[in-house]
Amino acid sequence: QSALTQPASVSGSPGQSITISCTGTSSDVGGYNYVSWYQQHPGKAPKLLIYDVSNRPSGVSNRFSGSKSGNTASLTISGLQAEDEADYYCSSHTSSFTRVFGGGTKVTVL
Amino acid sequence: QVQLQESGPGLVKPSETLSLTCTVSGGSVSSYFWSWIRQPAGKGLEWIGRIQPSGATDYNPSLKSRVSMSVDRSKNQFSLNVKSVTAADTAVYFCAISSDWRFDPWGQGTLVTVSS
Repeated sequence: QSALTQPASVSGSPGQSITISCTGTSSDVGGYNYVSWYQQHPGKAPKLLIYDVSNRPSGVSNRFSGSKSGNTASLTISGLQAEDEADYYCSSHTSSFTRVFGGGTKVTVL
Repeated sequence: QVQLQESGPGLVKPSETLSLTCTVSGGSVSSYFWSWIRQPAGKGLEWIGRIQPSGATDYNPSLKSRVSMSVDRSKNQFSLNVKSVTAADTAVYFCAISSDWRFDPWGQGTLVTVSS
């Protein structure tokens, strides 16, 4: 299975909004509403931000939102803050009953 | 709240078997699906596989021939074995709950280095 495609890096200034894309195929992202997003700070375990495309777990800021169109899912961070500087990963269920991650996106707050 | 803790040797010799355990606290290993995920230094996440409470498994096709997972209900633990390891298996290994199509929560991760 091939990794989902994410941009290597995205940057923005404090207060701005940024969007990270996650492109797959009809056998994963496009075929199921089971896309999740994770935030990982250096040396830490990933943290769940979004599940089932657009749902936020309790305790996650509403500045994080998710959506999907066709084979591409997106994570939007609004009101960018210094603490949002981290790596972000998408993940999807696949038609083979496996899971696949994106390659990861480094978010830099300018 | 369920908490997970990975444990196992930090150093494994090439061609040998990597064995890790994830200890579950605050919940029962019989209540959830469990996944192993790894991350080589400076690289992205790779899903290794998943085990259900029944013992049924799903594995990443790229690792399927070398990977096995099991559950030990008496110890409230689940385990990962990767055989015939090479330097490419050097990574931080995470365990996580993987019910409901998401990974949450995760263990803190454990570094495994493959070297002679």
